[in-house]
Amino acid sequence: NAGVTQTPKFRILKIGQSMTLQCAQDMNHNYMYWYRQDPGMGLKLIYYSVGAGITDKGEVPNGYNVSRSTTEDFPLRLELAAPSQTSVYFCASRPLSGLTTNEKLFFGSGTQLSVL
Amino acid sequence: ELKVEQNPLFLSMQEGKNYTIYCNYSTTSDRLYWYRQDPGKSLESLFVLLSNGAVKQEGRLMASLDTKARLSTLHITAAVHDLSATYFCAVCYGSSNTGKLIFGQGTTLQVKP
Repeated sequence: NAGVTQTPKFRILKIGQSMTLQCAQDMNHNYMYWYRQDPGMGLKLIYYSVGAGITDKGEVPNGYNVSRSTTEDFPLRLELAAPSQTSVYFCASRPLSGLTTNEKLFFGSGTQLSVL
Repeated sequence: ELKVEQNPLFLSMQEGKNYTIYCNYSTTSDRLYWYRQDPGKSLESLFVLLSNGAVKQEGRLMASLDTKARLSTLHITAAVHDLSATYFCAVCYGSSNTGKLIFGQGTTLQVKP
């Protein structure tokens, strides 16, 4: 059971380039999220999805796009990369559940992105 | 706007000592989470607190929630070096079913022998 898998682990982009961060989970989780973590800070939500075909914006969506064509995959697209997008990006997922104690998020290992 | 503030942001303590990390949040929420992050690593879920007065304990860590005061605490008992990490609290916002979280800034704990 791999959990939440993110690729790549590291990437350097030039200003104006585009790229896609990949995220896949094999736990059949309905909910998936993209967060970014700037140095010394907490995580901020970029986009989230409550199921295949359904996505919505989080706190800091500008400069990013997502799609959710399958339950397993939730790629994050950066268009026209800017230095302000230098950050560590975490993908997370959780199962569909009611008010239970098992509502924790499962996080991927992160993608370190530098835009120079 | 929901804000989540932790204090202290940095904590250096001796092994064997007790200490508490505080997490204040600005608007009503029905669930609060604590996570641990080791340097360069991902986040590990510690506790999910779902109701007023909820208390969860695991090992030397105990978390509690007071929804009326909008305050959660993470208490460390008899700290050991292995607890050195950054601890985040996070509060659910919007519809609780979506699981959207606002994170605090994190508290970096350094436990010295």
